[in-house]
Amino acid sequence: AQSVTQLDSQVPVFEEAPVELRCNYSSSVSVYLFWYVQYPNQGLQLLLKYLSGSTLVKGINGFEAEFNKSQTSFHLRKPSVHISDTAEYFCAVSGGGKLIFGQGTELSVKP
Amino acid sequence: ETGVTQSPTHLIKTRGQQVTLRCSSQSGHNTVSWYQQALGQGPQFIFQYYREEENGRGNFPPRFSGLQFPNYSSELNVNALELDDSALYLCASRPGTGGPEAFFGQGTRLTVV
Repeated sequence: AQSVTQLDSQVPVFEEAPVELRCNYSSSVSVYLFWYVQYPNQGLQLLLKYLSGSTLVKGINGFEAEFNKSQTSFHLRKPSVHISDTAEYFCAVSGGGKLIFGQGTELSVKP
Repeated sequence: ETGVTQSPTHLIKTRGQQVTLRCSSQSGHNTVSWYQQALGQGPQFIFQYYREEENGRGNFPPRFSGLQFPNYSSELNVNALELDDSALYLCASRPGTGGPEAFFGQGTRLTVV
C-alpha cells in the first residue's frame, strides 16, 4: 500500500529566508508525486509534479522539489519565501488513479 | 478554459438529513474524483468516476454515493448525515488518458449540526 508522511506539521519562517518542507512516501511501484498548496478557505492548487525524468522539478511561485528514490523522499524547497506563501502544503502520491495525501504542513511566514 | 467548479460553497445540514453536492469538471476531463477533507487533515479519497461508471472507491460507507453525467459533471450524495461528515468536500478532474495530476475545485464546506 502507498502512503505519504509529511514530517513537519508546522514550519514557521521569516520572510526572505529559505524553507524546506519534508515529505517521505512508501510505494512498491513506480510513483508519481505531487505538491499542492491550499490557501485559507480554498481548494488545492498544483505546485509541481514528478512523473519521470529529471529528479529536480520546478514549479510555480519559485518552488522546486527533488525526487530521491533511495531515500523515498520528495522534499519541497524555496530559496526565499514571501508573506504570501503562508498556506497549507500537501504532498501526494498517485496510486491506482487516486491521490494519497499527507497530513499537510502549515507554512507560516513572518515579517 | 473553464476550471473545476463546485456548488454550493457552504452548506449547513441537520444530522440525519441527506445532501447533494455538485461538480462541473474542467473542459475535456472525463474523470472526476471526490475527496473529504476534515479540519486539520489531508484530503481522503471517497470515489472516482470515469465515463459515468464508478471505477474506484475509498474507505467510505455506502451512504456516500455518486453520479457522473454524460457531460462529465458529477454529484456526491450523502445520506443519513452524521456530525463527523462535517468537512470540506473537494472535487477533482483529470483527463482520462492524460497525465495523473488532478485539478481541484474550491470545495464545498459542509457543516452538520
